[in-house]
Amino acid sequence: EVQLVESGGGLVQPGGSLRLSCAASGFTFSDYWMTWVRQAPGRGLEWVANIEQDEREKYYVDSVKGRFTISRDNAKNSLYLEMNSLTVEDTAVYYCATSVDTAMVTYFDYWGQGTLVTVSS
Amino acid sequence: EIVMTQSPATLSVSPGERATLSCRASQSVSSNLAWYQQKPGQAPRLLIYDASTRATGIPARFSGSGSGTDFTLSISSLQSEDFAVYYCQQYNNWPPAWSFGQGTKLEIK
Repeated sequence: EVQLVESGGGLVQPGGSLRLSCAASGFTFSDYWMTWVRQAPGRGLEWVANIEQDEREKYYVDSVKGRFTISRDNAKNSLYLEMNSLTVEDTAVYYCATSVDTAMVTYFDYWGQGTLVTVSS
Repeated sequence: EIVMTQSPATLSVSPGERATLSCRASQSVSSNLAWYQQKPGQAPRLLIYDASTRATGIPARFSGSGSGTDFTLSISSLQSEDFAVYYCQQYNNWPPAWSFGQGTKLEIK
């Protein structure tokens, strides 16, 4: 059974940093792209970042470029999101997601339960 | 950037009736479109991918259609568990800067 479990969320002050993790199981993690998607309270879904299987390709939404870094450790079956210079606009539930239907990055047939990041003074 | 626009924002339908949700892309996304269902406090669930293919375990009352810029999600004979928020997502452009619609809330009439 495919499982994605996020952790690392919490309350952080504006300008602060946080590192999110996503532990994957039930599939060959190193074979698939991974993605972070976020959802601000009461709002819709927003794609944040994608990472290719070997970390050679990484892509970010414009609003986080230069502040967030997506990474992975295939030996640990884990995905990460390093978030710096956080602002109140980054407050959201952060989901990791993937598709195991294809080796390309496309739609998402598996999602974690999400981890809440709150940026507030 | 491809902008996805869903309509209506809220749709009120009675149980047992049919619901039709729309999603429009600001430029062609071919058939590279997915639909998700999200209930309060839960992660999104994939319903449809490649515009019209039902995901594993999704009931046949859910169907998707369209290509290019205009897409439709239809739910025939609404069940109580179908009342939720629905999102479309395109995955056509490269580099992969995916985008979601703003969502349609399907509520009980």
